Order: sequence, then structure tokens, then C-alpha cells
Amino acid sequence: TQLLEQSPQFLSIQEGENLTVYCNSSSVFSSLQWYRQEPGEGPVLLVTVVTGGEVKKLKRLTFQFGDARKDSSLHITAAQPGDTGLYLCAGALRAGNMLTFGGGTRLMVKP
Amino acid sequence: NAGVMQNPRHLVRRRGQEARLRCSPMKGHSHVYWYRQLPEEGLKFMVYLQKENIIDESGMPKERFSAEFPKEGPSILRIQQVVRGDSAAYFCASSALGDTQYFGPGTRLTVL
Repeated sequence: TQLLEQSPQFLSIQEGENLTVYCNSSSVFSSLQWYRQEPGEGPVLLVTVVTGGEVKKLKRLTFQFGDARKDSSLHITAAQPGDTGLYLCAGALRAGNMLTFGGGTRLMVKP
Repeated sequence: NAGVMQNPRHLVRRRGQEARLRCSPMKGHSHVYWYRQLPEEGLKFMVYLQKENIIDESGMPKERFSAEFPKEGPSILRIQQVVRGDSAAYFCASSALGDTQYFGPGTRLTVL
């Protein structure tokens, strides 16, 4: 059983559609990061959330941290083919601790 | 504004050889983390180091693997007597005060 359950695993949508990726746990996290990873590259940081209930926006991407700091979501509005990639959530149980990663969501946006 | 650097990007070793992976953290970062990504699997934590100290090695295999982060120079992940199951992508991440971690491009190890 993974500490961080990420869903869906795969998502294939048309350009212009909206989508939400979920990251859930029974554990409370000190912080949670969202990364995007391209084939053959390392994860690139999108956002860090630390406060329960926090909402952060990055252009068409909206990130939310649950009130209890056990879950998070990533919402993409009007998806574009350039959004195609692997999205990873990762949580730290305590500041400075190792990150525990979710299984990833592989997104494909078709033109 | 250089990010985390790792080298080599690709490394091929025969079974029984040694592999040395290097990681230079971002400027000003003194915390280094190593993660491994096996084919078709997620990233798994291996070890957390600060300068000259291993803070958490709970994810390191008990044998053949070691890591260091000397006072001067990059962090090194060393795998002795590599086996085919060690083939994976190895990522290094760094942080400033133990907060947000920034990842390098990874080293892809192939064991023949």
C-alpha cells in the first residue's frame, strides 16, 4: 500500500478540456510538492503547499492542499498538448524529511 | 543560476563493476537527497545527507551501496559490485534549509 495514492494513473483528454488529479493519504504532511517529469529528465518543481486549505495558482494550473494536510489536488483548465507529461505529487512528513512520492499521473492531451 | 547537476547522465557497467554517481547541489544548498526510479516504478528515497553527515539512510540497501557528501566537492553515490537489478535512474535533489527539494536530471545506470 502506497503512503500517497495518486489518481488517475492515466488520463487521455482532448485539447481544451479540464482535468483534476488527486493525491490522497491517511497521513498528515508537513508540506506537499507537485512535480512534472518529462521522459529522460528529472522531476521539475511546479509548486509547494504547506498550509492546510491553501490554494495556489500557476497560470492554468490550480493546486489545493486539504484542510487536514492529508490530500491535495491539481486542476488544469483548458488543457493544451504542451501539458502532456507525468505529474507527481510528493509529501514530506516533517520539514526536511525525505519525500514520499505518489505513483504518478500520466497525462496525454490530444490536439 | 545553475540548478542541481548530476554526472554522468548515462553510465553503463558490467556486472561486478563499481558505479560512482556524482551530484552537485544548487548554490547555497547544503542538504542532498538521493532517490532511485526503477523501470515502470515511482521514485523511492534512498539517503539524505548534509555536509559530512548522513542524516537518514533508511532507504539504502544494506549492502554494496554507500553515499557521502564531503566538505568540499559533490555528493557521491557509490554502488559496488553492480547487478542487473541496480539498473535504474538515480536522482539527486537538494534543498536550502531542508524544505523544497529541487531535482537534478538524473543518472541512468545500465548494468550489462
